[in-house]
Amino acid sequence: SQKIEQNSEALNIQEGKTATLTCNYTNYSPAYLQWYRQDPGRGPVFLLLIRENEKEKRKERLKVTFDTTLKQSLFHITASQPADSATYLCALDGAGGYNKLIFGAGTRLAVHP
Amino acid sequence: EAQVTQNPRYLITVTGKKLTVTCSQNMNHEYMSWYRQDPGLGLRQIYYSMNVEVTDKGDVPEGYKVSRKEKRNFPLILESPSPNQTSLYFCASSSESSNQPQHFGDGTRLSIL
Repeated sequence: SQKIEQNSEALNIQEGKTATLTCNYTNYSPAYLQWYRQDPGRGPVFLLLIRENEKEKRKERLKVTFDTTLKQSLFHITASQPADSATYLCALDGAGGYNKLIFGAGTRLAVHP
Repeated sequence: EAQVTQNPRYLITVTGKKLTVTCSQNMNHEYMSWYRQDPGLGLRQIYYSMNVEVTDKGDVPEGYKVSRKEKRNFPLILESPSPNQTSLYFCASSSESSNQPQHFGDGTRLSIL
């Protein structure tokens, strides 16, 4: 079955720097991959979706890349701010098409002033 | 305001006492799903529904039931709760399927004693 690996250790960076989070998957290449942000005590909030035929997607200070050869997606936040501190989850389609969604455990990002 | 509403937000109950967690969305979404979130394991899908009267198992369906009698509602039923079902539960919806951005509720924290 598909497995997703996100760095379980928190990522600590200085305000203004670029944060880079990694999402690796182990088996088949998904048709799409999604990134979410989750704040403590809240539900995940959708950020970006990238499809298998797209190499890169951007939205304001956010950038996602998708490398099906490496089986990896990278999530970048440029000019990071303390307000970007949260847990970031990646998710991809499960086996059998567009019915199931599998999430990684998430990586906690802390941006320090 | 577009939203997914879960009730209750918190519940402490005892083993074997049937309970229902309600989920309602106001976006006319066809796809709805339930997840549980446990430390270190991330979000795991319990059940999902592609449309009214169409439901299917996710990755961890044991001990849970769902129904989809109306498009807007997707209740999660624990017929005989056990302590291993103590968790944080999220309901989500999207316009078509899992390959669309998911809109999450704010979660229900269940404690089964």
